[in-house]
Amino acid sequence: GAGVSQSPRYKVAKRGQDVALRCDPISGHVSLFWYQQALGQGPEFLTYFQNEAQLDKSGLPSDRFFAERPEGSVSTLKIQRTQQEDSAVYLCASNLQGRGGTEAFFGQGTRLTVV
Amino acid sequence: KQEVTQIPAALSVPEGENLVLNCSFTDSAIYNLQWFRQDPGKGLTSLLLIQSSQREQTSGRLNASLDKSSGRSTLYIAASQPGDSATYLCAVRSGGQNFVFGPGTRLSVLP
Repeated sequence: GAGVSQSPRYKVAKRGQDVALRCDPISGHVSLFWYQQALGQGPEFLTYFQNEAQLDKSGLPSDRFFAERPEGSVSTLKIQRTQQEDSAVYLCASNLQGRGGTEAFFGQGTRLTVV
Repeated sequence: KQEVTQIPAALSVPEGENLVLNCSFTDSAIYNLQWFRQDPGKGLTSLLLIQSSQREQTSGRLNASLDKSSGRSTLYIAASQPGDSATYLCAVRSGGQNFVFGPGTRLSVLP
């Protein structure tokens, strides 16, 4: 595709509800990242995939957060039993190579509001 | 652990001024540094990517420099315009593969 696509753009969830956020990276991009951005702050790293392998999940804040990329393209970030502190914008990024040399492209983000 | 800071946190300038945004990072062992722009309610738009072996990159009215040894990068915006108003984020990529972001500089260019 032309860019990184995320869906839905907005999600309102009741506390305790499970949510799933989708990321379609640029076709052929090996690396995929998920970030969480609280209001007025810079994005914070959640997890990183190289193809289908999840190489780093050190940023996931709790075991309620789970991410997958089963076929090495589309990725889903799942949050179970959502809490109010999960309210944030969730950003997905991809870049071409497995190592750090190329430009990263971000999607528009999914704004999650937990009420 | 890599930490990234940005100064100033916010900046308001009249149209036409040249300005400099600053980014500092604590660990100089980086692969690259990337500057992004974020408009309210939107995602991140890539502006410039500087590899660790490079000193600067230019795109139109934007120029970014990198001094890896001192852990600093600057983004220079020439002849600022109201359309430049946004939050500017720098992000550093190092051995851990993921990007570490600064908190951003919120820029307002007044007509």
